[in-house]
Amino acid sequence: NAGVTQTPKFRILKIGQSMTLQCTQDMNHNYMYWYRQDPGMGLKLIYYSVGAGITDKGEVPNGYNVSRSTTEDFPLRLELAAPSQTSVYFCASRRVAGELFFGEGSRLTVL
Amino acid sequence: TQLLEQSPQFLSIQEGENLTVYCNSSSVFSSLQWYRQEPGEGPVLLVTVVTGGEVKKLKRLTFQFGDARKDSSLHITAAQPGDTGLYLCAGEEYGNKLVFGAGTILRVKS
Repeated sequence: NAGVTQTPKFRILKIGQSMTLQCTQDMNHNYMYWYRQDPGMGLKLIYYSVGAGITDKGEVPNGYNVSRSTTEDFPLRLELAAPSQTSVYFCASRRVAGELFFGEGSRLTVL
Repeated sequence: TQLLEQSPQFLSIQEGENLTVYCNSSSVFSSLQWYRQEPGEGPVLLVTVVTGGEVKKLKRLTFQFGDARKDSSLHITAAQPGDTGLYLCAGEEYGNKLVFGAGTILRVKS
């Protein structure tokens, strides 16, 4: 029972590079979310999805893109990485109006 | 986007003391959740409150949802070192968007 799986766990990027953070869940949850968390702070919502083919912006979407082609997968794309995107990224999923289940996080550093 | 304000940002107390963490917004939420997060891990759900005025208890933790569903509080009785962590409130906006407050770092010293 894997739950929510994120890869990679750690990554260092140079300014201007692009990358994709992968997220997959095996709980058949319709709702999926991407958050970023800066040290000692709360989580900021980047994008979320209520089902395959449906995505919507959260509080801090600039510099990111997402897609949801299947129920299981919700990748987050960073284009032209900037130092301000240095953070820990969490993917989460849930059923309708239920508990959020989080992945272990992906720590990204942009130098 | 609704803003969730949490206070205090940081709390350092002695074992056995009581404390309250507050979560406030100017807008109404359909529900509110409280999470606890330990270093290097994702947040874990403590409780969900849905009805205005609702009070839920989880051992030494008491959660309250305001009558107008705009605010919530978490009260811990006789805090223990194991309570140390980051406490986060999360409000569900209509449309399934779940937004978090900035968090309260709690340190309980033995």
